Amino acid sequence: GENVEQHPSTLSVQEGDSAVIKCTYSDSASNYFPWYKQELGKRPQLIIDIRSNVGEKKDQRIAVTLNKTAKHFSLHITETQPEDSAVYFCAASKGANQAGTALIFGKGTTLSVSS
Amino acid sequence: GAVVSQHPSWVICKSGTSVKIECRSLDFQATTMFWYRQFPKQSLMLMATSNEGSKATYEQGVEKDKFLINHASLTLSTLTVTSAHPEDSSFYICSASEVAAFFGQGTRLTVV
Repeated sequence: GENVEQHPSTLSVQEGDSAVIKCTYSDSASNYFPWYKQELGKRPQLIIDIRSNVGEKKDQRIAVTLNKTAKHFSLHITETQPEDSAVYFCAASKGANQAGTALIFGKGTTLSVSS
Repeated sequence: GAVVSQHPSWVICKSGTSVKIECRSLDFQATTMFWYRQFPKQSLMLMATSNEGSKATYEQGVEKDKFLINHASLTLSTLTVTSAHPEDSSFYICSASEVAAFFGQGTRLTVV
C-alpha cells in the first residue's frame, strides 16, 4: 500500500541553525504534500504545503522542496528558534488530491532547538 | 484556516461500553472527513474515510463493526468505539478538507 518514509526521527539543532527533514513517498499518483507541526497533546497544525506542479515553496523561515521524479520532498527551517521545537509530520495525498483526500503520514521527526 | 471541532477532548470509559466522538466542520461543508488514530510518540494512522450520505471506507485492518462511522450531514461525522477494550485506548483525531486538511483537537480515549 501507500507509504511515506520520514527521516530523521529525531533532530537536535542549536538556535539559529537550519533544520532539514526529508520524506519519500511511494504512490506516484500523490500530488499534494503538506507538512504539519504537532506540539505535545495538541492537534497537528498545517505549516506549509506544496503541490506537484511546483518544485519549491517558501513562507518566511520555512521552505519545502519537491522532486516528483525521485518522489522526495523536504522541509527546510532556517534560523531555528526554541519555539520551533515540536514533532513535524510530512504527508502525501492518497492518490490525486481533490477536496477531501486522505493523507498518508510519515512517522514524524522530533525537532529540538536549544538556545 | 478552516475550523474543525472535535468533542469530547478526553473520555474515560469502562471496558465493554461504547463511546461516541463527534467531529464538526464549523465554517465549511465537508462531504468527506477522515478519522485517524495516534499512539503515544507515533504517527497518525488513517482508520477510515467518512462519506456524507454513504458508507465509510475503512483501511485494511480496521474493524468496521468496532469503529462505527456515521456522516449524516455535511458538517458532522461521528466515530463510535463499540465494546471498548483497554487496547482501544488511544488518541483519536479527525480531519476535514477544503483544500488543505485541518484537524480537530483530538480525543484522548482511556478504557479502564
